[in-house]
Amino acid sequence: QITLKESGPTLVKPTQTLTLTCTFSGFSLSTSGVGVGWIRQPPGKALEWLALIYWDDDKRYSPSLKSRLTITKDTSKNQVVLTMTNMDPVDTATYYCAHFGVAGTFFDYWGQGTLVTVSS
Amino acid sequence: EIVMTQSPATLSVSPGERATLSCRASQSVSSNLAWYQQKPGQAPRLLIYGASTRATGIPARFSGSGSGTEFTLTISSLQSEDFAVYYCQQYNNWLETFGQGTKVEIK
Repeated sequence: QITLKESGPTLVKPTQTLTLTCTFSGFSLSTSGVGVGWIRQPPGKALEWLALIYWDDDKRYSPSLKSRLTITKDTSKNQVVLTMTNMDPVDTATYYCAHFGVAGTFFDYWGQGTLVTVSS
Repeated sequence: EIVMTQSPATLSVSPGERATLSCRASQSVSSNLAWYQQKPGQAPRLLIYGASTRATGIPARFSGSGSGTEFTLTISSLQSEDFAVYYCQQYNNWLETFGQGTKVEIK
């Protein structure tokens, strides 16, 4: 079955760069049509789509965050990495990675999420 | 960027009653609309994709309808486990966006 798990720091300081890793199993990012996305959720607030990467290394970013985000994949390790530069307290959120398939870029499997707090 | 607007923000419903949630897109997203359920402390769960197709394992009491800019999620008879926050998401134009959510609470 498909599982995903996010890992990374729980606390980062303002202006630092956040690096999150999504490690998955049950599918391969070399399979046509599949991909992984990142979504975040500030405490008590709504979901916000951040970025996604396709099997063919095509990438999409949220326009409002595009200058700060980079998404990459390591197919051999079954990992997707998201980096976000210049972190600010407003970036405090639970960060999720999720799988999408050939039917479209909706997310059918999600990781448990990881809470990242930005504070000095 | 396509803006997704959900209404109402909060819906108070008694167990066994019907709940109707709305999602409106700022421009047409065809049928590229998904619905998710999220309970406190949990990741979202996919309920509906393609505006009306139930995801694997989703009970038949959940149904989705609509196309273009107007969409509805209906829960025909609310069970205790259905009290949660529901989000819509469009995936039509390469830049996916979520609505702000509707909280379904016990009346």
